[in-house]
Amino acid sequence: AQSVTQLDSQVPVFEEAPVELRCNYSSSVSVYLFWYVQYPNQGLQLLLKYLSGSTLVKGINGFEAEFNKSQTSFHLRKPSVHISDTAEYFCAVSDNQGAQKLVFGQGTRLTINP
Amino acid sequence: EPEVTQTPSHQVTQMGQEVILRCVPISNHLYFYWYRQILGQKVEFLVSFYNNEISEKSEIFDDQFSVERPDGSNFTLKIRSTKLEDSAMYFCASSDRSGRQYFGPGTRLTVT
Repeated sequence: AQSVTQLDSQVPVFEEAPVELRCNYSSSVSVYLFWYVQYPNQGLQLLLKYLSGSTLVKGINGFEAEFNKSQTSFHLRKPSVHISDTAEYFCAVSDNQGAQKLVFGQGTRLTINP
Repeated sequence: EPEVTQTPSHQVTQMGQEVILRCVPISNHLYFYWYRQILGQKVEFLVSFYNNEISEKSEIFDDQFSVERPDGSNFTLKIRSTKLEDSAMYFCASSDRSGRQYFGPGTRLTVT
């Protein structure tokens, strides 16, 4: 079974500052890793995913994440945030045996202050 | 980009009533899922469906829940006798073999 821990429930940052949202996972098998964003009153939108290959993955809206197998982490980063990045961010994991269920973390609420 | 659609966007029902939440997955996808998100909590897996049968279900998905793919396009979640604690946002998702799941916008279920 997999589990995901998002270490920060809330992250406030100033506009144009860099941000890192932390995610750690546990699994006994190889995994796929995902970050989803949920804007207020909306559904889940995929930001980026790691399936295999390069451990640095780039996603939409200027976000990127790095898969670190030894530290079982998949932290999300953006060098300069905008007000429009205010949202809830969810890290998720699935095993890599075909299209399996996603296990989500608790989410991190990113608040951008002007 | 292809989209998963869900209807209704908001459903209000009385405790003990049956509800059916509807989803139209992306047309060439093979795997279908239901998740739920209780207000302020994380998204939780309910059930996955492949080749016209349930492939996995969580402990949340008890006998009050059922899923069906009645035709080639719809995928439904039925709650037979709703409880107050069933109030949540319900998300449908679909995927091909790549592992990427596409989520619908959700149905907010309110049980009174």
